[in-house]
Amino acid sequence: QVQLVQSGAEVKKPGASVKVSCKASGYTFTSYSVHWVRQAPGQGLEWMGIINPSGGTTDYAQRFQGRVTMTRDTSTSTVSMSLSSLRSEDTAVYYCARDQGLGFNFFDYWGQGTLVTVSS
Amino acid sequence: DIVMTQSPDSLAVSLGERATINCKSSQSVLYSSNNKNYLSWYQQKPGQPPKLLIYWASTRESGVPDRFSGSGSGTDFTLTISSLQAEDVAVYYCQQYYTSPCSFGQGTNLEIK
Repeated sequence: QVQLVQSGAEVKKPGASVKVSCKASGYTFTSYSVHWVRQAPGQGLEWMGIINPSGGTTDYAQRFQGRVTMTRDTSTSTVSMSLSSLRSEDTAVYYCARDQGLGFNFFDYWGQGTLVTVSS
Repeated sequence: DIVMTQSPDSLAVSLGERATINCKSSQSVLYSSNNKNYLSWYQQKPGQPPKLLIYWASTRESGVPDRFSGSGSGTDFTLTISSLQAEDVAVYYCQQYYTSPCSFGQGTNLEIK
């Protein structure tokens, strides 16, 4: 069965960077793009970007440009999202979600979420 | 960017009654070449990731109960729960995937009256 298993919770200081990983299983890794979505405490869903695991191409939301990097490792079927220059407003649960295909579609499977807390 | 606006923000419905959630996009999400609306609906329960309910505005995801239905086209969409069950208490989000950046509505909190 399709599974996306994310890395564990992180606590970071302002100005630091964080890397969250998402290990995929149960399907052909390079046949489906992966999105990253975050959710601040008590708030809604915010799209951060997408990575195509086949070629590694990415598309980031403009508000994260310059701070976010999404990568993939096809040998371990893992995608990762790095966010730099962290500030308190980046405290959120970060989700990876599988695209229905390799384009830009709805999200059919989600990871369990990774809580990133930014605090001095 | 396309802005998605849901109404209402919060909704209380009696068990067994109908629940209706609306979603409006700031521009059409209907792709004329394939006549598909690039609109999906998700359900999120506390402490859980969102779960896909509906895609292409009206196609129910496998395993989703048939009391959930989606309708609408262009810029106006509706999620309907025909007979509310206790397990349907959740926050519901619409999402457009017509263009990047994809965007979500602010969410509708559905409770039992």
